[in-house]
Amino acid sequence: EPEVTQTPSHQVTQMGQEVILRCVPISNHLYFYWYRQILGQKVEFLVSFYNNEISEKSEIFDDQFSVERPDGSNFTLKIRSTKLEDSAMYFCASSEGTVSYEQYFGPGTRLTVT
Amino acid sequence: AQSVTQPDIHITVSEGASLELRCNYSYGATPYLFWYVQSPGQGLQLLLKYFSGDTLVQGIKGFEAEFKRSQSSFNLRKPSVHWSDAAEYFCAVGDAVSSTLGRLYFGRGTQLTVWP
Repeated sequence: EPEVTQTPSHQVTQMGQEVILRCVPISNHLYFYWYRQILGQKVEFLVSFYNNEISEKSEIFDDQFSVERPDGSNFTLKIRSTKLEDSAMYFCASSEGTVSYEQYFGPGTRLTVT
Repeated sequence: AQSVTQPDIHITVSEGASLELRCNYSYGATPYLFWYVQSPGQGLQLLLKYFSGDTLVQGIKGFEAEFKRSQSSFNLRKPSVHWSDAAEYFCAVGDAVSSTLGRLYFGRGTQLTVWP
């Protein structure tokens, strides 16, 4: 069964460093998402991406964040200068369409900023 | 704005017992509702979804959920829990009528522990 994969599973970085989280969505999917979950809090939407551009972003997704689909298979989330409060589990998801289509989630990348 | 509340952070049940996980949502129109499950080291897996029609929805692994508009609830149930059901369960609502198509709003999750 096709699945969304994410690498790395755990990333430790120092405050102020740049990190890139990688995701490989399901191959025939067209919509891509990033969510995050700070420990003990809700899973929060960050951004959606379709047709090589951002469809929507939340208030969390400020100028420190960017997304890219550098090739036909990868979907990346970059945090330019990490802060302590960026420590969270980051989930990538993909879907064939919006609204009534299931979003398939990856296992997540745990980002720890020290 | 849309929001989802899962009042129970942690629930413990004995194997074979029935289960009900609560979910309440805040949304102005008819929502799209989802239950996801996450086992350790795994991604979020969809258990079931409600878009319209029959308010009792059947999902995978023997789970069902009932949409009750009057109570703004979408509680997840299983008549007999198995040890393998131990996981974290997330309720989510999707927006069908605004420009935020596809965006999901999640609850905080309920951790289920199953005793043998």
